[in-house]
Amino acid sequence: GAVVSQHPSRVICKSGTSVKIECRSLDFQATTMFWYRQFPKKSLMLMATSNEGSKATYEQGVEKDKFLINHASLTLSTLTVTSAHPEDSSFYICSARDEGSGELFFGEGSRLTVL
Amino acid sequence: DAKTTQPNSMESNEEEPVHLPCNHSTISGTDYIHWYRQLPSQGPEYVIHGLTSNVNNRMASLAIAEDRKSSTLILHRATLRDAAVYYCILSTFYDKVIFGPGTSLSVIP
Repeated sequence: GAVVSQHPSRVICKSGTSVKIECRSLDFQATTMFWYRQFPKKSLMLMATSNEGSKATYEQGVEKDKFLINHASLTLSTLTVTSAHPEDSSFYICSARDEGSGELFFGEGSRLTVL
Repeated sequence: DAKTTQPNSMESNEEEPVHLPCNHSTISGTDYIHWYRQLPSQGPEYVIHGLTSNVNNRMASLAIAEDRKSSTLILHRATLRDAAVYYCILSTFYDKVIFGPGTSLSVIP
């Protein structure tokens, strides 16, 4: 089946630093990718829709200057958490839509811990 | 966004069938019914999807009511590896996907 890969799977950083998370569709092209965050024992919360070659669309309440999204190719989207703070600690998950089937496939998730 | 309603939690005995219900009374004609499941500390995994007709795949079956206002995910023989949170989601293939709380399934050995 289709595979979406996220990297890194775990990252620990100091407060004030920036962290980049990559999301790759390994065997299909994805014009659209989605970024979610998830707190413990909660459901996934959609942060933004990443569109190849154009600006991301952010959900209400998500700071676009803090969570920078770049979708430079049909197989790669990146999420950069800028000037991270402890409250940004979370599980971040990306998904990519297979343009052929229309189905969504999810990455394994990236756990960010900000000290 | 179209909404779905699922029970917060369910239990099943191992090797018995499980029926996970989902209500979606406001479904539109273009909405597909998708099911995903999520194991702890992993990304969601696609299970099955359908539009109007019942669907079967190697993981599960999806039974869709005739009026499409509800559906049921059927796991034919629950295993311990099926313990997860199951999400029922409505979406066209070109919409963003919004997750509800889902159903936490426990499987009892």
